[in-house]
Amino acid sequence: GESVGLHLPTLSVQEGDNSIINCAYSNSASDYFIWYKQESGKGPQFIIDIRSNMDKRQGQRVTVLLNKTVKHLSLQIAATQPGDSAVYFCAEKGGSQGNLIFGKGTKLSVKP
Amino acid sequence: KAGVTQTPRYLIKTRGQQVTLSCSPISGHRSVSWYQQTPGQGLQFLFEYFSETQRNKGNFPGRFSGRQFSNSRSEMNVSTLELGDSALYLCASSLWEASTDTQYFGPGTRLTVL
Repeated sequence: GESVGLHLPTLSVQEGDNSIINCAYSNSASDYFIWYKQESGKGPQFIIDIRSNMDKRQGQRVTVLLNKTVKHLSLQIAATQPGDSAVYFCAEKGGSQGNLIFGKGTKLSVKP
Repeated sequence: KAGVTQTPRYLIKTRGQQVTLSCSPISGHRSVSWYQQTPGQGLQFLFEYFSETQRNKGNFPGRFSGRQFSNSRSEMNVSTLELGDSALYLCASSLWEASTDTQYFGPGTRLTVL
């Protein structure tokens, strides 16, 4: 799995390029998935979600893809901007448990 | 509509003390969940309150407790603080129970234990 804190995986992209952030989730019973963006000094901000009966969902400049076969989730950001620089977390939720189980996070760095 | 608010934003305590953190959910939201975020462990679930009842609890010692009031505001308490309790404590609210609804986070309370 991915490491955290000082060893947080980093994705560095050029402004204007597309970004793809990947996440492997743990529970095959999870039926709801969310991507959050966390900027320095702030709480996680909801970006987009997807339920397990879908394999793709699009928002404004963002697309989430879900592959249940391999328990993989990805977030695609089109035309990445400097304001997209942040740590991105995927989270899963399933069954009767309402709590979110977060992935370790990926730091996105956008070069101007 | 105002977002989730948390007070205080920053707190410094010493080992052995206790601390109370407060969370006001988005207006109309009835569920409040608490999470701890540290560089080593990432984001970990503490507990969820819905209609003043604890609905779900994470794997934390009994020193961590919480409650929810009739106006949906929530507090969490940590007793006998340890150095390892230094973290960002995040509160998230949802309109309905967290198992059925999207959670929205506040800015967090940064707790430092010396």
